[in-house]
Amino acid sequence: KNQVEQSPQSLIILEGKNCTLQCNYTVSPFSNLRWYKQDTGRGPVSLTIMTFSENTKSNGRYTATLDADTKQSSLHITASQLSDSASYICVVNPAGANNLFFGTGTRLTVIP
Amino acid sequence: DSGVTQTPKHLITATGQRVTLRCSPRSGDLSVYWYQQSLDQGLQFLIQYYNGEERAKGNILERFSAQQFPDLHSELNLSSLELGDSALYFCASSVADSAGYGYTFGSGTRLTVV
Repeated sequence: KNQVEQSPQSLIILEGKNCTLQCNYTVSPFSNLRWYKQDTGRGPVSLTIMTFSENTKSNGRYTATLDADTKQSSLHITASQLSDSASYICVVNPAGANNLFFGTGTRLTVIP
Repeated sequence: DSGVTQTPKHLITATGQRVTLRCSPRSGDLSVYWYQQSLDQGLQFLIQYYNGEERAKGNILERFSAQQFPDLHSELNLSSLELGDSALYFCASSVADSAGYGYTFGSGTRLTVV
């Protein structure tokens, strides 16, 4: 069964600290994996997209990693800011399919 | 602004009623996808249209239907509404038939059924 699981479900960190969010998937065959940021009540916004051959990709303070062998990805946020408070969703696109598989997200709260 | 426009932003209606949600895709995008996000739940894929034709179907209830018009905008019709239909409904668009080529979300319609 194709699934995407994220951990932790929620996380509270102090402003300026780093954090890492995890994503494990069983989707196969694999095409690409994306990380989205979703502010409360808003649509998800893409942060990174990684294909099978990519191990690391950065977007500013966001760095995503992918291990296609173990089917794991992580999103590392450096020097967190209050505006990083949001849900972070891991999305896996299977090869040759029109659907995407969404994780339920990690709710990150950055406090001053 | 993502370029994907959804209207209305908020909708409150009574059980048993019918509503229509509208989505205009980003300029040049031919595919429209509809998603439902209930409170504290992940996004659930409902249906996809590409250039006017239904392409893929997810967990869409029989009470729900959608269509994509010649100008590529799409409408999601929800009928015989139940309290459990209260959710955020998102539309996303992409240029190609496949979801793998980039995917832009609108800001959603919040539906409240009372």
